[in-house]
Amino acid sequence: DGGITQSPKYLFRKEGQNVTLSCEQNLNHDAMYWYRQDPGQGLRLIYYSQIVNDFQKGDIAEGYSVSREKKESFPLTVTSAQKNPTAFYLCATADRPFTDTQYFGPGTRLTVL
Amino acid sequence: QQQVKQSPQSLIVQKGGISIINCAYENTAFDYFPWYQQFPGKGPALLIAIRPDVSEKKEGRFTISFNKSAKQFSLHIMDSQPGDSATYFCAAGEAGAGSYQLTFGKGTKLSVIP
Repeated sequence: DGGITQSPKYLFRKEGQNVTLSCEQNLNHDAMYWYRQDPGQGLRLIYYSQIVNDFQKGDIAEGYSVSREKKESFPLTVTSAQKNPTAFYLCATADRPFTDTQYFGPGTRLTVL
Repeated sequence: QQQVKQSPQSLIVQKGGISIINCAYENTAFDYFPWYQQFPGKGPALLIAIRPDVSEKKEGRFTISFNKSAKQFSLHIMDSQPGDSATYFCAAGEAGAGSYQLTFGKGTKLSVIP
């Protein structure tokens, strides 16, 4: 983490509600990623963005949306269409597009009640 | 389809012993192989990484061994310490159409007992 902040650390949501997770970075990195982590599973890619105002779907984008209006910010919205949203959400950055090394933030744990 | 297979799921090692975690892959387009360390409730931290032009990389007590022909790579932790107790993820990376992407193994929970 270091220059990557995610907030809040814990988030509770009622079924049917949308919720937005924050990811901010001061590393001046171009690329940003959102992953989902479930117990006993690896990390799965939700969305990624290589440059401002551009983003692409990852492997499990259904039920999620993102925006990239500023270089330092890449918020993730978990919509009511996401069938099983309870998970640990991780934001990552890489300094340039197509750079292999990714650095992770501290994560947000989302629980749907 | 699991592109990166990691084993074992869990590992218990005595303090001072060697911890070994293995990963295997199928996709020959992978060209970057990092290992991440994750403590409970925290984000993964990059531990060490290797590219396929070398067969081994060592950083302190951590060593990656890479076997390109077998499509396997492993993490060795020498002189394991209780502070090494964490979950370790291997990953493999490739450049896709829109970005450079990492594919992760499912993780190995390491417990180092005194």
